[in-house]
Amino acid sequence: QQQVKQSPQSLIVQKGGISIINCAYENTAFDYFPWYQQFPGKGPALLIAIRPDVSEKKEGRFTISFNKSAKQFSLHIMDSQPGDSATYFCAASIRNSGNTPLVFGKGTRLSVIA
Amino acid sequence: KAGVTQTPRYLIKTRGQQVTLSCSPISGHRSVSWYQQTPGQGLQFLFEYFSETQRNKGNFPGRFSGRQFSNSRSEMNVSTLELGDSALYLCASSLRGNEQFFGPGTRLTVL
Repeated sequence: QQQVKQSPQSLIVQKGGISIINCAYENTAFDYFPWYQQFPGKGPALLIAIRPDVSEKKEGRFTISFNKSAKQFSLHIMDSQPGDSATYFCAASIRNSGNTPLVFGKGTRLSVIA
Repeated sequence: KAGVTQTPRYLIKTRGQQVTLSCSPISGHRSVSWYQQTPGQGLQFLFEYFSETQRNKGNFPGRFSGRQFSNSRSEMNVSTLELGDSALYLCASSLRGNEQFFGPGTRLTVL
């Protein structure tokens, strides 16, 4: 079964600290790994995505690290701010051989406290 | 460019009724996917439409159906509503299938 396991379920980080959320997948055919951010009452918003041919991708304070051999990828939020408090979802899909639906992790509720 | 719009935003129905939700994708996007979001199960894929054809289908009962029109707008229908159908229903549109942009969702409550 195609699964994406996400941890932790919830995370509390001090303002200015680093938030780290981890995901692991089983299907080695996955070749597209996006992260979504969701605020209460809103739909998920695409934050950043990575393909397995690179080990890291950085956009502003957000970085995805990808470990193909371990079948794991993680989101790092540097200098975390209270405005980053939201639920974060990792996801995976197959892009190359026909677009398959996104398979989502269960989400991580991040709280950044001052 | 306008984002994905979903109507209605909130809906209250009773068991046994049916409901139709609507989604207008981002202009130029031809792929529309539907997801169900619940606290227990998270985000689960329902189905995807591309150029009026269902391209993928998730593991949901036949009570859940959808369609897409020639202007790429999509509707999903749930018949014979059950209490467990209470959820946030999200629509996502994409140009090429994977970079999906979500709407705000329709909050369905079944009493």
